Amino acid sequence: EVKLVESGGGLVQPGRSLKLSCAASGFNFNDYWMGWVRQAPGKGLEWIGEINKDSSTINYTPSLKDKFTISRDNAQNTLYLQMSKLGSEDTAIYYCAREGELPFDYWGQGVMVTVSS
Amino acid sequence: EIVLTQSPTTMAASPGEKVTLTCRASSSVSYMHWYQQKSGASPKLWIYDTSNRASGVPNRFSGSGSGTSYSLTISSMETEDAATYYCQQWSSNPPTWTFGGGTKLELK
Repeated sequence: EVKLVESGGGLVQPGRSLKLSCAASGFNFNDYWMGWVRQAPGKGLEWIGEINKDSSTINYTPSLKDKFTISRDNAQNTLYLQMSKLGSEDTAIYYCAREGELPFDYWGQGVMVTVSS
Repeated sequence: EIVLTQSPTTMAASPGEKVTLTCRASSSVSYMHWYQQKSGASPKLWIYDTSNRASGVPNRFSGSGSGTSYSLTISSMETEDAATYYCQQWSSNPPTWTFGGGTKLELK
């Protein structure tokens, strides 16, 4: 069974950094691109970025390119999202998702990040 | 960068009613993906490559379209179909995925 489990969310002060993790299981993690999507409270889905199998290609939505960094550890079957200079606009549920032959075919349950003083 | 505009933003349908959700792209695209998201849950891939149902999706759902206009149709609304539906498209310049703003489908 494919499972994606995000962790690392919580309450963080404006201007601080936070690193999210996404633990993958039930499939060969090395064979898939992985991505991050977020959803602000009551809003729609916003794609953050994606990383290819060997980390040689990382794409970001232009507005977040300078704040967020995506990485992965294939030995640990884990995807990461490093977020910096956080502001209230970054308050959202953050999802990781698998990208394979089918787009975003599996999603994690999401992790909440709240940016507030 | 492609912009996806979904309409309507919100709608309500009665059980048994035919429902059509629309997604319009700012420039011509060759396919569209759709996701279903129920309240409090993660999105699920629903329709991919314009017209292919994802695993487990009932056959009352269908997708169609070309160019700048795509649609998701429910032939006969059921209670469980109440959800928000998002369209999605890839653009290569810059390389980005884009989601539409979503259509919230409610049960009347």
